[in-house]
Amino acid sequence: KAGVTQTPRYLIKTRGQQVTLSCSPISGHRSVSWYQQTPGQGLQFLFEYFSETQRNKGNFPGRFSGRQFSNSRSEMNVSTLELGDSALYLCASSLVNPQETQYFGPGTRLLVL
Amino acid sequence: DQQVKQNSPSLSVQEGRISILNCDYTNSMFDYFLWYKKYPAEGPTFLISISSIKDKNEDGRFTVFLNKSAKHLSLHIVPSQPGDSAVYFCAASDQEGGSNYKLTFGKGTLLTVNP
Repeated sequence: KAGVTQTPRYLIKTRGQQVTLSCSPISGHRSVSWYQQTPGQGLQFLFEYFSETQRNKGNFPGRFSGRQFSNSRSEMNVSTLELGDSALYLCASSLVNPQETQYFGPGTRLLVL
Repeated sequence: DQQVKQNSPSLSVQEGRISILNCDYTNSMFDYFLWYKKYPAEGPTFLISISSIKDKNEDGRFTVFLNKSAKHLSLHIVPSQPGDSAVYFCAASDQEGGSNYKLTFGKGTLLTVNP
């Protein structure tokens, strides 16, 4: 069974631009969570989607948004990029509930210049 | 407010010895705990988990211990191997609550196993 895939793997943007990241969960998994990882901050929860609905959201500004499609694939968007948005963005999927074991993709490394 | 704390940013151990990684939590509603391992340029990989109804779970070289009264868990790796060198994240969730819909992660501990 294929794992979680994320595209693109690397991205360089400049301040003020916007970016869209994509995540395809493991087949059959319907819950998709997004995390931001920065040095020294661990994995900070962004949001979680199930059946195209956002069920939970972390403490990030409204510039960070996401959505989920009917095939469970998910995208996250960051608008008006800031230097501090440079991070590794990780997507994870689980069968139904993210409280269960989550399986992570390799991440998208975003660099904002 | 950090609900899951890994107070040691790094740990260095000799090959063949035991590695002990610690994790503390503050939210008494947490009832399911996981450990993930992360290599550079890869996503975290699930390692082992434990439910709050147990105090120990073992999987090969990896054992997780849970002390609910102290709100503390630890991951033991015996014997440690150089390939175990990675960042280890502790995570917790409230499974019974049903409305939380997330895992809460610690900041991670970098384990280095020296040959």
